[in-house]
Amino acid sequence: AQTVTQSQPEMSVQEAETVTLSCTYDTSESDYYLFWYKQPPSRQMILVIRQEAYKQQNATENRFSVNFQKAAKSFSLKISDSQLGDAAMYFCALMTYKYIFGTGTRLKVLA
Amino acid sequence: GAGVSQTPSNKVTEKGKYVELRCDPISGHTALYWYRQSLGQGPEFLIYFQGTGAADDSGLPNDRFFAVRPEGSVSTLKIQRTERGDSAVYLCASSQTNLKAVRGTEAFFGQGTRLTVV
Repeated sequence: AQTVTQSQPEMSVQEAETVTLSCTYDTSESDYYLFWYKQPPSRQMILVIRQEAYKQQNATENRFSVNFQKAAKSFSLKISDSQLGDAAMYFCALMTYKYIFGTGTRLKVLA
Repeated sequence: GAGVSQTPSNKVTEKGKYVELRCDPISGHTALYWYRQSLGQGPEFLIYFQGTGAADDSGLPNDRFFAVRPEGSVSTLKIQRTERGDSAVYLCASSQTNLKAVRGTEAFFGQGTRLTVV
């Protein structure tokens, strides 16, 4: 069975500061991908960042970066220079041919 | 349109009624997914289509739920004898992923249909 666990239901960060969202997963597949999606109140799922499991190098997209620890099956998201627009639900997802999502972390950004 | 379109945006129905939820994927995307998202939860997998066929329907909760994609594009999720516990946001996504050759491509999500069973 494939599982994704997000142990932080809610996180807060001061504007311009850095925050890290945690995610662990489990799979027996060797070919898989990991994603972070953002979901604002509009319900639209927006891709934040993507990591191929076979790549050791951590993915980076502007202010967003991941810490991918394959042996530990850990995939955390770091948001630098947090902005008010970053406030949303964040979902970690494991993908083979389908997505398995975690339960999400609500991120609040304080002005 | 350029994105995944889901209709209706909101649906209120009475317990015991039948409902259909529609998804128009991005043109050319062979993979189509349905997910159910209950309040405060992450999206839960329901069914995955590759072309016209359901490649994985292991997430459908019971036989009241059924989905079709007869021409490999538009899909309809059908729920019979609705129950209050079916109330949720139903999300559709499409991608170019296929079972063997192309994995890990980004899935594009619609904005969902919020189903309320009263």
